[in-house]
Amino acid sequence: RKEVEQDPGPFNVPEGATVAFNCTYSNSASQSFFWYRQDCRKEPKLLMSVYSSGNEDGRFTAQLNRASQYISLLIRDSKLSDSATYLCVVNMYNQGGKLIFGQGTELSVKP
Amino acid sequence: DAGVIQSPRHEVTEMGQEVTLRCKPISGHNSLFWYRQTMMRGLELLIYFNNNVPIDDSGMPEDRFSAKMPNASFSTLKIQPSEPRDSAVYFCASRLTVGELFFGEGSRLTVL
Repeated sequence: RKEVEQDPGPFNVPEGATVAFNCTYSNSASQSFFWYRQDCRKEPKLLMSVYSSGNEDGRFTAQLNRASQYISLLIRDSKLSDSATYLCVVNMYNQGGKLIFGQGTELSVKP
Repeated sequence: DAGVIQSPRHEVTEMGQEVTLRCKPISGHNSLFWYRQTMMRGLELLIYFNNNVPIDDSGMPEDRFSAKMPNASFSTLKIQPSEPRDSAVYFCASRLTVGELFFGEGSRLTVL
């Protein structure tokens, strides 16, 4: 089983739609979590951190469920510019800060 | 401020040749990561260093792969001998302790 697993995608949605991605992790010792965004043929960049109480940044909401070992990303009012691959990331402090990425979920927002 | 700098950006080589990828992390960052990305396997962690010391190299696929970090401002990933299945984008990334991870633009390797 992979340490970090994501919805396979691709997700094809119309502009204005709400879309949600889920990610599960296998190591309960995992201690912090992030969502990264990767545009085609570019490097990944931090989208947002994920806090235990959930957090929001504009149209983006991230949530963490430690009991079930999953994190989620909700995008409201999708824009064409949201088209990208979204990567779930798990940080394990007890392994020297090892950062494990999920395979990513591709999102395509259509006019 | 300069970001993470990788070289070469693109390399095409023949099977059996040695490949050396280079990385200069952001000044002041004390952790450096090497990842490999392919369509089939996504972004795989190969090895990472804290304060120039390798912490976990369990992701290095074979003995053909080696990585060094002789000082805080430079790291190399070497493949010898290279094989077609090594074709991928290799990313170097750095961060300060547990802060945001910053990636370089990647080195796109094609082994014929």
